[in-house]
This record gives sequence, C-alpha cells and structure tokens, in this order.
Amino acid sequence: DQQVKQNSPSLSVQEGRISILNCDYTNSMFDYFLWYKKYPAEGPTFLISISSIKDKNEDGRFTVFLNKSAKHLSLHIVPSQPGDSAVYFCAASEYNFNKFYFGSGTKLNVKP
Amino acid sequence: DVKVTQSSRYLVKRTGEKVFLECVQDMDHENMFWYRQDPGLGLRLIYFSYDVKMKEKGDIPEGYSVSREKKERFSLILESASTNQTSMYLCASSLNSPRTQYFGPGTRLLVL
Repeated sequence: DQQVKQNSPSLSVQEGRISILNCDYTNSMFDYFLWYKKYPAEGPTFLISISSIKDKNEDGRFTVFLNKSAKHLSLHIVPSQPGDSAVYFCAASEYNFNKFYFGSGTKLNVKP
Repeated sequence: DVKVTQSSRYLVKRTGEKVFLECVQDMDHENMFWYRQDPGLGLRLIYFSYDVKMKEKGDIPEGYSVSREKKERFSLILESASTNQTSMYLCASSLNSPRTQYFGPGTRLLVL
C-alpha cells in the first residue's frame, strides 16, 4: 500500500505561470518531506525540504507547503520556466528513520 | 557539493549473468541506498545500509544482494539477472541529520 501518493501523473503549464504539484500521504508519523526533480536518464536532483514543525519553506522560485491535518504537501514553482520540465517526486520519512517513501512522480511540461 | 557516482551509465547483460553495480560517495555519509525506478511506480527501495557491513532490506529485495565493505562504497549484486530486472538503478547517500538523500546519475540496465 502506497504511503505517499502523487495522483496527477502529468501537468502542463504555460511559461511564466505558476506550477502546483501535489502530494498526499497516509502515515501521520512522517515528519520530514523532500521534493526532487528528475530529467530522463539522470538521477533525481534534490530541490527543497520541509520539516513537520513548519508549514512553508521557500527557496527561490520553489515553495513547499505542508498541511499536516490534511496530510498534504504541495510544491509551487513561480514563475515556471521551460527548463523546469521534468518529473517531480515527493518523498517522506518518519522521525529518526532514514528510509524515505517516494511518490510515483508527476511529469511537468512547461510550454514556451 | 555532495557527489555520488555510479560505475556505469548503461549496461546490457544476459539472463542468468551475475551483475555488479557500484556506487561511491565522497561526503562521508553514514547511509547509502539502492533504488530501482520503473515507469508509473516511482522509486522503490531495494536495500539500504546505515554503516559499514550493515544492511537492511527495503521493499523489493528479492533477487538482489548488497555489500558495504567501506563507508564510501555500496554495491548492488544481481545474483542471476532476469528480464524483469531491466530497470533504472539509482544509488543515494545521506547523513543521519539532515536526512536528505543525494542521488547518483543512475545505471540503466537491460537484461536480455
């Protein structure tokens, strides 16, 4: 049973607009969350993290929001650029555990 | 910058062959991981190691074994390769804190 779900396999956005990628989880013990970007035939690149003691974390164009009561996190990319076109994975782990559970990924296409 | 390297980017092997995939990290990370990525399934954990000579099964360990003789090196072994092990294999490493995992470029393995 998947503990981390990304229910949208794909998303298409116009350049300059906001991209919102969503992730849901079922395990209330998860306390640390990561987002990765992956290009074809390359390894995932770490983008941004958030701890459960926060509800928002920003890094440049990337912002992650965490809603613990809804067990939901989202990644906002503003403004979206064609180079952001990639597969995005969210991942979650429990306190003091190094094992992460990954979602199935969302393929983002940013159109020029 | 964290650097995780994998011995091969592409490999083609025959059914029944023994296959070795090597991963090296240069940041003195305690933890190392092997995943496989398949379309629509995200990243699935095969094995991980939290110390030299220590290993833990992940979610899909069947048909695989691992070896960690030195802190910086983590090897994945396919004892007798089968066609259903054709996949993208990803190695990652992390500290205990923060738990962010850093990935290598991946090895695309084709078993014929």
